[in-house]
Amino acid sequence: KQEVTQIPAALSVPEGENLVLNCSFTDSAIYNLQWFRQDPGKGLTSLLLIQSSQREQTSGRLNASLDKSSGRSTLYIAASQPGDSATYLCAVRDAGGAQKLVFGQGTRLTINP
Amino acid sequence: GAGVSQTPSNKVTEKGKYVELRCDPISGHTALYWYRQSLGQGPEFLIYFQGTGAADDSGLPNDRFFAVRPEGSVSTLKIQRTERGDSAVYLCASSFVGGPQHFGDGTRLSIL
Repeated sequence: KQEVTQIPAALSVPEGENLVLNCSFTDSAIYNLQWFRQDPGKGLTSLLLIQSSQREQTSGRLNASLDKSSGRSTLYIAASQPGDSATYLCAVRDAGGAQKLVFGQGTRLTINP
Repeated sequence: GAGVSQTPSNKVTEKGKYVELRCDPISGHTALYWYRQSLGQGPEFLIYFQGTGAADDSGLPNDRFFAVRPEGSVSTLKIQRTERGDSAVYLCASSFVGGPQHFGDGTRLSIL
């Protein structure tokens, strides 16, 4: 059974810093991995999707990497801003035809002005 | 264009009552998913529809939970004989098959 873990559970950093959020998964047979952002009381906004054949994806100040063999992904946020404060979730879709996403518990990020 | 719409946004009801939660997916998306998110946790999968049929209902916790999608668009999640442990945010997502899932804002269900 696939399990996804995100460390740390919470992170607080000053504005302007570069930071890395970590995600690990137990079964390396994945189809893709997705990073989401969730603001309080809201649904999930997709940030980046990495297919199993890819190593990384970039969007603006965000860069996500995938090391499938070691079961790890990182989300790198450059030049953090207070508006980046949110909970960040990673989710994997297993290979083999299943369509569901298996989520980590999230990292609650606070960027201090 | 319009995103995934879920109604109601909040629902408060008493233990033992029946509830229905509605999801209106993005137009053209054939895949629809329901997840449940407890406080401080990531969403947990409940059920996946491809068109009108439930292709994977392995996440439904017990037979009090049921979902339908009769015309391949709007879906309703139905919970019978609600229990306090059913309190959570219920999220709906839709996608093209194999594509990224797009989520609604959820229904916050509180069972008193």
